[in-house]
Amino acid sequence: QVQLQESGPGLVKPSETLSLTCTVSGGSVSSGSYYWSWIRQPPGKGLEWIGYIYYSGSTNYNPSVKSRVTISVDTSKNQFSLKVSSVTAADTAVYYCAREGSSSWFLDYWGQGTLVTVSS
Amino acid sequence: SYVLTQPPSVSVAPGKTARITCGGNNIGSISVHWYQQRPGQAPVLVVYDDSDRPSGIPERFSGSNSGNTATLTISRVEAGDEADYYCQVWDSSSDHRVFGGGTKLTVL
Repeated sequence: QVQLQESGPGLVKPSETLSLTCTVSGGSVSSGSYYWSWIRQPPGKGLEWIGYIYYSGSTNYNPSVKSRVTISVDTSKNQFSLKVSSVTAADTAVYYCAREGSSSWFLDYWGQGTLVTVSS
Repeated sequence: SYVLTQPPSVSVAPGKTARITCGGNNIGSISVHWYQQRPGQAPVLVVYDDSDRPSGIPERFSGSNSGNTATLTISRVEAGDEADYYCQVWDSSSDHRVFGGGTKLTVL
């Protein structure tokens, strides 16, 4: 059974960088069969796809955050990470990591999510 | 970018059938996926590729997709089905994933 678990600070100051890690168990981020994605959900609002990374390191980002986002992968730790720079209150959200089949384009396994609040 | 439109809310009595729509330009030509999100929980895939169900999802959940509208149908609705439902597609022109705004299903 594949499991994903987000981790990172729950509070980030405005203008700083938000950093989260997703640890994968029961599966490998080195597999060429999957994309590894980040999705966020502001309080009381809908889901927003942030972007994905493939095991090769190739990435694709939502234009709404592309200039501030970096997704990376650490195959040795079976983890992938998200960085969002220059955060504002609008980046306050529950952040989810998820797995997507490389030829399916749906998200079949999700982490439980972690709330990140941007506040001074 | 591709836009998906969902009604903000749908209400249904227990035992009845709920239909949640997802509108998009010629959406019938692409695959649509649906997620259920109960309060305080992560989304769960309930229908993929328009009408397929992952293992463990009740047969009461079904989907269809034609023209400019995809539909998630929940038969014999139960109190436990009360949740937010999101449709999602892959925008092949940009390789982006797009979510609809979500529909809150209320069981009366």
